[in-house]
Formats: sequence, structure tokens, C-alpha cells
Amino acid sequence: AQTVTQSQPEMSVQEAETVTLSCTYDTSESNYYLFWYKQPPSRQMILVIRQEAYKQQNATENRFSVNFQKAAKSFSLKISDSQLGDTAMYFCAFMTNYGGSQGNLIFGKGTKLSVKP
Amino acid sequence: NAGVTQTPKFRILKIGQSMTLQCTQDMNHNYMYWYRQDPGMGLKLIYYSVGAGITDKGEVPNGYNVSRSTTEDFPLRLELAAPSQTSVYFCASSYRGGAQNIQYFGAGTRLSVL
Repeated sequence: AQTVTQSQPEMSVQEAETVTLSCTYDTSESNYYLFWYKQPPSRQMILVIRQEAYKQQNATENRFSVNFQKAAKSFSLKISDSQLGDTAMYFCAFMTNYGGSQGNLIFGKGTKLSVKP
Repeated sequence: NAGVTQTPKFRILKIGQSMTLQCTQDMNHNYMYWYRQDPGMGLKLIYYSVGAGITDKGEVPNGYNVSRSTTEDFPLRLELAAPSQTSVYFCASSYRGGAQNIQYFGAGTRLSVL
């Protein structure tokens, strides 16, 4: 069974600084995707970034980037130039990518990020 | 563009009552999902549907029922509500299954069973 672990329940960062959120996962699959979702106080789950396991290049989306270490089964999220609007819960998630997969996302417990002015 | 719409936003039920959580999407997505999020936890899959008339169980289906009579709608039915069903429920949809297809989420329904 796949598991996703986020070891940092809460983190804080000063506005304009950089913060890194950690995520580790366990799987015996070789073909999968990893995701970071943001859940602001409004509760809406928003996809921040995703990474395909077969791609060696780390994904980036504007101020968000990942450090994907496949051998270590680690998938951290770096937020650069933090903004007050980045305050949210951040969830790491995993999904296998084989033909029979129906889209079952496996989520970690989340990291609560507070950006301070 | 409404995306995924869930109603109601909040609800309080008494033990043993039943209710239906509504979910509709306007993106013509084939796949729809129901998740629950317990306090301090990530989301867990309850049921999913790959198209109208086709549904299947996820990780935590006990105490729930679903139906999918149209592409747009995927209601979740709670029969005989129990305190263990106190949670936030999220509906999501994607064009197809699999990890290449992004799941889009609704804003959630917060349910308390007292």
C-alpha cells in the first residue's frame, strides 16, 4: 500500500522569504505522479504543482518548485518570495499511473503554513 | 465558469438522520469523486464514478451510497448518520482517470453529526 508522510505539522515564514515543505512517500510502483495541493481558509483544494516520476527534471510553477529525489522517495516543495496569500494548508499527494488506475489520490496529513508580514 | 459546485456548505445532523450531499460539475468531466477529510488528516476516497451509471467504492465507503444518473451530477447519500461521519466532504472531477488528469475540487461541505 502507498503512504504519504508530511513530518512538519506547522511552519511559518516571513513575507518575501523562502520556505521548504517536506514530504516522503512509500510505494513499490515505478510509474506514478506526485502532487502538492494548497487548501486556503476557504477550504478549496487547489493544485499547486505536480511531478511525474519518470521525469528527472524538477517541476516548477512560478514561485513554486519541487525537489524530487526518487531513490530517497522524497518530494519537497519550495516556495520562493513568500506572499501573505500563500498562507494555507499544503497537502502532498500520490497517485499511481498504470492503466487500471482510476485516480485514487493518497494524501498526507498536511502542513499548515503561515506567512507573517 | 462554476467548475465543481457542492451544496450545502454546512449541515448539522442528528444521529440516525439521513441526507444527500449534492455535487455538480459543468466541465463535462467523465470522472467524479467523493472524499472526506477528518480533522488533522488528509483526504480519503469514499466513492468514485467513471461515467453515468457506473460507480465504485474507494477506501472508506461504509455508511455511504452514491448514484450517477447524469454526467454532471454525483450525489452522496448518508443513511443513518453516525458521529464518525462528522467530517468535511469534498467532491472532485477530472476529464479522465489516471494521474495525467487533474482533479478539480469543490469547496466542500462541513457536516457535523450530533
